[in-house]
Amino acid sequence: AQKITQTQPGMFVQEKEAVTLDCTYDTSDQSYGLFWYKQPSSGEMIFLIYQGSYDEQNATEGRYSLNFQKARKSANLVISASQLGDSAMYFCAMREGRGLWGSSNTGKLIFGQGTTLQVKP
Amino acid sequence: GAVVSQHPSWVICKSGTSVKIECRSLDFQATTMFWYRQFPKQSLMLMATSNEGSKATYEQGVEKDKFLINHASLTLSTLTVTSAHPEDSSFYICSAKALYLRTGGGLNTEAFFGQGTRLTVV
Repeated sequence: AQKITQTQPGMFVQEKEAVTLDCTYDTSDQSYGLFWYKQPSSGEMIFLIYQGSYDEQNATEGRYSLNFQKARKSANLVISASQLGDSAMYFCAMREGRGLWGSSNTGKLIFGQGTTLQVKP
Repeated sequence: GAVVSQHPSWVICKSGTSVKIECRSLDFQATTMFWYRQFPKQSLMLMATSNEGSKATYEQGVEKDKFLINHASLTLSTLTVTSAHPEDSSFYICSAKALYLRTGGGLNTEAFFGQGTRLTVV
């Protein structure tokens, strides 16, 4: 069965510094997708970044980058130059099923436990 | 981009009544939608997969008769919490499966989320 683990319940970071949020996963699928979402106190789920299991390069989206280490089954999120608005809960998620055109790609997501990030001024 | 609208954003209801939550894909057709439940400070737990024109697929431990899901069109799925009790108070959030154009090129299938509904049963 697929499993996502986030071992950091809470993290603090000083404004303008970088922070890494850990995520490890377990799956027997060869093709899978990994996601990071941000959930502010309002509750909405904001998509941050995606990494495909066959992507050769680490994904980057602005201040967000994903440190993907396939052999170690880790997909850590790096936020550079933290801002006060980055304070939120962050979830790592894995998409169940195979790639884009595979009929077994359900789109279903399995989430980690989440990490609450607080940015200090 | 793909927009998913969920309504209402919050609702308070009396114990024993039913509450309907709507999830709409505004600018795309979604043959598949998902319903999640989230308790405070906890993760999102998938409740069911909603498929247009067919019965929903419920996750283990989710009561089908209590959480009724209807996916009557390609843009609308509804979750009805029947005979609500205080323990049903939670944050419910839907997502819809759509094609996503990735930064740097390429397509991907992704689930876009609604804003969520905070249900309080008193």
